[in-house]
Amino acid sequence: EDQVTQSPEALRLQEGESSSLNCSYTVSGLRGLFWYRQDPGKGPEFLFTLYSAGEEKEKERLKATLTKKESFLHITAPKPEDSATYLCAVQARGGSEKLVFGKGTKLTVNP
Amino acid sequence: DSGVTQTPKHLITATGQRVTLRCSPRSGDLSVYWYQQSLDQGLQFLIQYYNGEERAKGNILERFSAQQFPDLHSELNLSSLELGDSALYFCASSVELAGATQYFGPGTRLLVL
Repeated sequence: EDQVTQSPEALRLQEGESSSLNCSYTVSGLRGLFWYRQDPGKGPEFLFTLYSAGEEKEKERLKATLTKKESFLHITAPKPEDSATYLCAVQARGGSEKLVFGKGTKLTVNP
Repeated sequence: DSGVTQTPKHLITATGQRVTLRCSPRSGDLSVYWYQQSLDQGLQFLIQYYNGEERAKGNILERFSAQQFPDLHSELNLSSLELGDSALYFCASSVELAGATQYFGPGTRLLVL
């Protein structure tokens, strides 16, 4: 069974304090790994897709990386507006295009 | 704005009742997915439709059903509602391509009293 585990569950940072979020996955064959940002009561907002080990994607203060077993979301010099829950999901090869999600990391950035 | 729309935004109903949630995918997307998000379970895949046909099923209860219409909008029907069905229900859409990004709508918050 495909599984995604995210850590930590919650993270508090001071503005400007860089850190990383972890997403460990077990999947029969990885088709893609997806990062989303979710604000309270809102729908997940797409951030990145990674397809193969070694791939990296960047957007503003965020950088996502992928290995064969895990992905990291690096946040450089975060701002209070980066506060949100960050969700990681995998899509397995073969069959359905469903996403299997982790439970997320709730990030709080204090000014 | 993802381009995916969902109605209603909020729904309050009683146990035993039936409700219908509606989703319009992004222009050009043929695949529609339904997910349920509860506090303890996180986001769980329910069902996928592609161009009107059911494509895949997840942990969807027999009391729940869905369909996709010729204009590609989709409806999720929840019947014999129980307190535990209270959750956020999201619709997502994507193009027909392996590994394609799924774009999520704003969700419908269902409260069963």
